[in-house]
Amino acid sequence: GDSVTQTEGLVTLTKGLPVMLNCTYQTTYSPFLFWYVQHLNEAPKLLLKSSTDNKRTEHQGFYATLHKSSSSFHLQKSSVQLSDSALYFCALSGTNTGKLTFGDGTVLTVKP
Amino acid sequence: NAGVIQTPRHKVTGKGQEATLWCEPISGHSAVFWYRQTIVQGLEFLTYFRNQAPIDDSGMPKERFSAQMPNQSHSTLKIQSTQPQDSAVYLCASSLDGTSNSDYTFGSGTRLLVI
Repeated sequence: GDSVTQTEGLVTLTKGLPVMLNCTYQTTYSPFLFWYVQHLNEAPKLLLKSSTDNKRTEHQGFYATLHKSSSSFHLQKSSVQLSDSALYFCALSGTNTGKLTFGDGTVLTVKP
Repeated sequence: NAGVIQTPRHKVTGKGQEATLWCEPISGHSAVFWYRQTIVQGLEFLTYFRNQAPIDDSGMPKERFSAQMPNQSHSTLKIQSTQPQDSAVYLCASSLDGTSNSDYTFGSGTRLLVI
């Protein structure tokens, strides 16, 4: 079945530094990849998504590129802000059912 | 557009009691998904509906969990004989058409505590 791996459980950074959150996936279908962000006591919200190989997608300063050759969809930002502190989920829709498989999530904490 | 509405926001039940959780999807969305979120297991898929029909319930604990979608405006998740390990945040999400590139809008969740 489909699976998503996020290798970092917790990332702590100082404001202004760059960040990369790792996401790799496995599926036998043509993949759609998503990043969701969940702030404390809030619902997860879509950050960005892609199904196009080697095309960078951006939103709210975050960006990611789907690389089918390496089955990766890493999330990056060049300069993190305090407000970026949240839980980030990578998710995969590998079948044509619309069901998402989520990674375990990465908690990003940004310090002043 | 009020988003996906889940009620109640918090529920405390005694072990062995029944809990019913409600979800109202975004108007016009034809797919509804239920997930369970815990610190240990993360986001676990439970079940989903498309056009009110059950499509996939592979994540549902079969013995005590059931879900229904009697009309396009709401879905319910029922847990019979609740156990402490059922304590979690139950998230409902809807998407426009339930296809692979259709992104989810999540509700705020119901935090269930079984004591």
